[in-house]
Amino acid sequence: GQNIDQPTEMTATEGAIVQINCTYQTSGFNGLFWYQQHAGEAPTFLSYNVLDGLEEKGRFSSFLSRSKGYSYLLLKELQMKDSASYLCAVMDSNYQLIWGAGTKLIIKP
Amino acid sequence: GAGVSQSPSNKVTEKGKDVELRCDPISGHTALYWYRQSLGQGLEFLIYFQGNSAPDKSGLPSDRFSAERTGGSVSTLTIQRTQQEDSAVYLCASSLQPQSGTDTQYFGPGTRLTVL
Repeated sequence: GQNIDQPTEMTATEGAIVQINCTYQTSGFNGLFWYQQHAGEAPTFLSYNVLDGLEEKGRFSSFLSRSKGYSYLLLKELQMKDSASYLCAVMDSNYQLIWGAGTKLIIKP
Repeated sequence: GAGVSQSPSNKVTEKGKDVELRCDPISGHTALYWYRQSLGQGLEFLIYFQGNSAPDKSGLPSDRFSAERTGGSVSTLTIQRTQQEDSAVYLCASSLQPQSGTDTQYFGPGTRLTVL
């Protein structure tokens, strides 16, 4: 079957760096997405990786290793507003998005 | 419109009643998705519409669930004879380039359904 694994919850300190991991097993691969979802709100797009390596976007970076079925989202200079759930999703061979359950990130002052 | 809109934002209903949830996608987006999200859980795929093709209904949990998309734009998700386990947030998303690895889905604010 298809499976996306990410930690349920993580805690980090304001101003620090946090890495949220995602491992996947899917039928085919057409890219990996990270979305941010604040409590009570809809998910919003953060990043997309289809080739191996690191994609940097300001304070957020996303890394992909296709051979390992692994990605991570790196958040630097954490701010209180970064407290949210972070969803990893993989597009399979049918171009369907398979979603992880999300990682709830708690930022402490 | 500027983004995906959904209505109502909140719906409280009694067990056994039917409900209709509406989604208005971003203009020009040919793909439309419905998801369900229970409290603290990930997204559960329900149904996918792409242009004039037959919808992918593989995620619908039972025959009480149905959806249609009229004129390739607005979509309605109908739940018949609602049960308490149907309580969740129902999210709609649309995208411009389905069948493309770069396709990004844009989400509406969701409808929070509570079945008493």
